[in-house]
Amino acid sequence: GESVGLHLPTLSVQEGDNSIINCAYSNSASDYFIWYKQESGKGPQFIIDIRSNMDKRQGQRVTVLLNKTVKHLSLQIAATQPGDSAVYFCAETVSGGYNKLIFGAGTRLAVHP
Amino acid sequence: NAGVTQTPKFQVLKTGQSMTLQCAQDMNHNSMYWYRQDPGMGLRLIYYSASEGTTDKGEVPNGYNVSRLNKREFSLRLESAAPSQTSVYFCASRNDPGGHRSPLHFGNGTRLTVT
Repeated sequence: GESVGLHLPTLSVQEGDNSIINCAYSNSASDYFIWYKQESGKGPQFIIDIRSNMDKRQGQRVTVLLNKTVKHLSLQIAATQPGDSAVYFCAETVSGGYNKLIFGAGTRLAVHP
Repeated sequence: NAGVTQTPKFQVLKTGQSMTLQCAQDMNHNSMYWYRQDPGMGLRLIYYSASEGTTDKGEVPNGYNVSRLNKREFSLRLESAAPSQTSVYFCASRNDPGGHRSPLHFGNGTRLTVT
């Protein structure tokens, strides 16, 4: 498969451990945030989103935390599995304008057995 | 539902050739988008269409044109391909009438090489 980013930061974890992927966003006016997962050779896949009036949201095995004070977003994956190996992107939407999404560069998650 | 479907999956062009990348979505979304993805540069917006009949430039529109053929289909045309347009192209859609916040849904991409 191809690489979506040759020089992305990489997080290596053992299967079964919890993973935390971090993202610093740029605009204090952003009001909506999304995490995407991208596997090799595929398009980004929606994982979970959160609005700025929340600081935590949970899905199946995933939790997103939002800290607006320091403009920081994190994605926690519980009991990481080999199928979680992928590149993870955060995206922010700035309020106003045309609802534009700004994407981060991504973090590669490598899960080892 | 197939979601967002892109064709072709792969394409090799010579410099100066033209081609159209096709995209269709079956989710009844109002907005559609074209992005390119290059190593180390993330996803960059080429063009978008907020609704049927409208199109607008994104961050990197030069060398591209788009057509929102109907609510389902949004095509991207390269009139005279250049090696700098070698990239992976993603089409995406979402339902966001009036700026309602919702995630983009992506297709699996077209991998284009211009020699």
